Amino acid sequence: AQRVTQPEKLLSVFKGAPVELKCNYSYSGSPELFWYVQYSRQRLQLLLRHISRESIKGFTADLNKGETSFHLKKPFAQEEDSAMYYCALSATSGSRLTFGEGTQLTVNP
Amino acid sequence: DADVTQTPRNRITKTGKRIMLECSQTKGHDRMYWYRQDPGLGLRLIYYSFDVKDINKGEISDGYSVSRQAQAKFSLSLESAIPNQTALYFCATSNPRGRDEQYFGPGTRLTVT
Repeated sequence: AQRVTQPEKLLSVFKGAPVELKCNYSYSGSPELFWYVQYSRQRLQLLLRHISRESIKGFTADLNKGETSFHLKKPFAQEEDSAMYYCALSATSGSRLTFGEGTQLTVNP
Repeated sequence: DADVTQTPRNRITKTGKRIMLECSQTKGHDRMYWYRQDPGLGLRLIYYSFDVKDINKGEISDGYSVSRQAQAKFSLSLESAIPNQTALYFCATSNPRGRDEQYFGPGTRLTVT
């Protein structure tokens, strides 16, 4: 069975500080990992996926198969980054997603 | 993204009542999903459908049923609502021939008293 764990329910940083949202997963195969974000009063939307190896809104995430982690990082947080972030796993391309518990990020001025 | 819509947006109902939540999409996607969101538990999959003739249970299907009336419509029913089904419910769609990104509706806030 696959599982995604986000150990921090709440994370608070100051504007301009680095931020890292942790995501750990358990799955015996080679998963696809995603980060979804939900801004206040907006829909849940895809932020980035590991296979794209892209940077979106200054965020990056590297899949570490040895540590089974997919942490989301940004070197300089902005107030508009305040949102709920979900890490998600797909066992194979095109299959259903398993979401973590979510981390509520607050960036203070 | 107005392409995935949910009705109603808010609903208060009483224990024991039957209630249906509806989801419609104009994205032309084959795959549709129902999730519930609870604080501290994240999103949990209730049911999913990969095409009109395909319905599958998710992690927490007990107490729920679904109907895929057409490619564009996927309804979630609570046969006899109970208070611990109070939650925010999301519908989502995806296209396996594309990036397989899931597109979410705005959510339905359901309160069972």
